[in-house]
Amino acid sequence: EAQVTQNPRYLITVTGKKLTVTCSQNMNHEYMSWYRQDPGLGLRQIYYSMNVEVTDKGDVPEGYKVSRKEKRNFPLILESPSPNQTSLYFCASSRVNSYEQYFGPGTRLTVT
Amino acid sequence: EDKVVQSPLSLVVHEGDTVTLNCSYEVTNFRSLLWYKQEKKAPTFLFMLTSSGIEKKSGRLSSILDKKELFSILNITATQTGDSAIYLCAVPDTQGGSEKLVFGKGTKLTVNP
Repeated sequence: EAQVTQNPRYLITVTGKKLTVTCSQNMNHEYMSWYRQDPGLGLRQIYYSMNVEVTDKGDVPEGYKVSRKEKRNFPLILESPSPNQTSLYFCASSRVNSYEQYFGPGTRLTVT
Repeated sequence: EDKVVQSPLSLVVHEGDTVTLNCSYEVTNFRSLLWYKQEKKAPTFLFMLTSSGIEKKSGRLSSILDKKELFSILNITATQTGDSAIYLCAVPDTQGGSEKLVFGKGTKLTVNP
């Protein structure tokens, strides 16, 4: 089954404690992306990657890091989480230049 | 300034009504416009539009793009309670070699029985 998986699905953590949210896709897609979704602000892109070792900033990259060492995986790293990073996070993938994104199930992160 | 603006932000209708959702955009080097539906979980793809004036249709949903006026509409006829969702519009922003995907804030549609 074609899918994008994310882990964990729910996470409560404390300010400053480094965390990683994993994302994996099995569709051999080149383009992968991370979004956060907040009430009233919609879905905003954090980082995206066009292929292995190629990453670039989206509209809200501050406080986040990503890496793309393998085509299928695109982890999101919060080195020092803060309460304003409490949000619903989605990973997505697509063929490059397609933009028909397949979304993961989401990760609800709470930073206290 | 938002590059993708959706209206209305929310809409409540009765089953059987027809609704029109709007999406206007402002990006250089336009390539495509996409519509997604988000129920309780992750967004799912509905349509991708690249050419002006050509309607895309899937059952009771249809969408059309006007590249001259920089907007798209999503029509849903004979609405059902299962159409209740947030509808998202997105446009690739390729300015300066970027490949960002910019979403509007969405239209929350509630269909009451």
